[in-house]
Amino acid sequence: DAGVIQSPRHEVTEMGQEVTLRCKPISGHDYLFWYRQTMMRGLELLIYFNNNVPIDDSGMPEDRFSAKMPNASFSTLKIQPSEPRDSAVYFCASSLAPSGAFYEQYFGPGTRLTVT
Amino acid sequence: GQNIDQPTEMTATEGAIVQINCTYQTSGFNGLFWYQQHAGEAPTFLSYNVLDGLEEKGRFSSFLSRSKGYSYLLLKELQMKDSASYLCALMDSNYQLIWGAGTKLIIKP
Repeated sequence: DAGVIQSPRHEVTEMGQEVTLRCKPISGHDYLFWYRQTMMRGLELLIYFNNNVPIDDSGMPEDRFSAKMPNASFSTLKIQPSEPRDSAVYFCASSLAPSGAFYEQYFGPGTRLTVT
Repeated sequence: GQNIDQPTEMTATEGAIVQINCTYQTSGFNGLFWYQQHAGEAPTFLSYNVLDGLEEKGRFSSFLSRSKGYSYLLLKELQMKDSASYLCALMDSNYQLIWGAGTKLIIKP
């Protein structure tokens, strides 16, 4: 398996522009997670999906952020309009459903977003 | 609520042993994970503990004491490639991971 795939790997945009980050989870994984990582705040969970349905979006910073998962193999995280404080590395991760045994989250390579 | 504490940075010597501690407070617990993250890369899974005791996997071992809200990651025979951040993560009652801020481990020759 190719692992979790994210695109783009790097994104530089100007404040006010729309940014769309993409993720393809590992085939067969029921859960998909979007994280944001910064030096100041560490790794933060933004939202996660179970079988394509958003379960918890309490970590989404504000209405400028939205996420969708139209099918089991694709998800997007959109920021509109973007602001400099959104600059961070955004990770997508996927996992199998917890079954009482442990499950690990597999992370994609991340998208480094810079908003100027 | 939940809270996780781990040291910000540690330094160790190549070939030596280092222990990275993690303490936590939580109302619900379904296990504790350790992840490794090299600079500029994604976190990768190292270990998982749900019962008290020591789990050994090669040069890396992880320990858990649920009554004390305490875990540690033990790295033996340190190599330069072990220089990375080590993230402690708590799985809560909803099976979601609550992440610590990470410990940056610096290995010196």
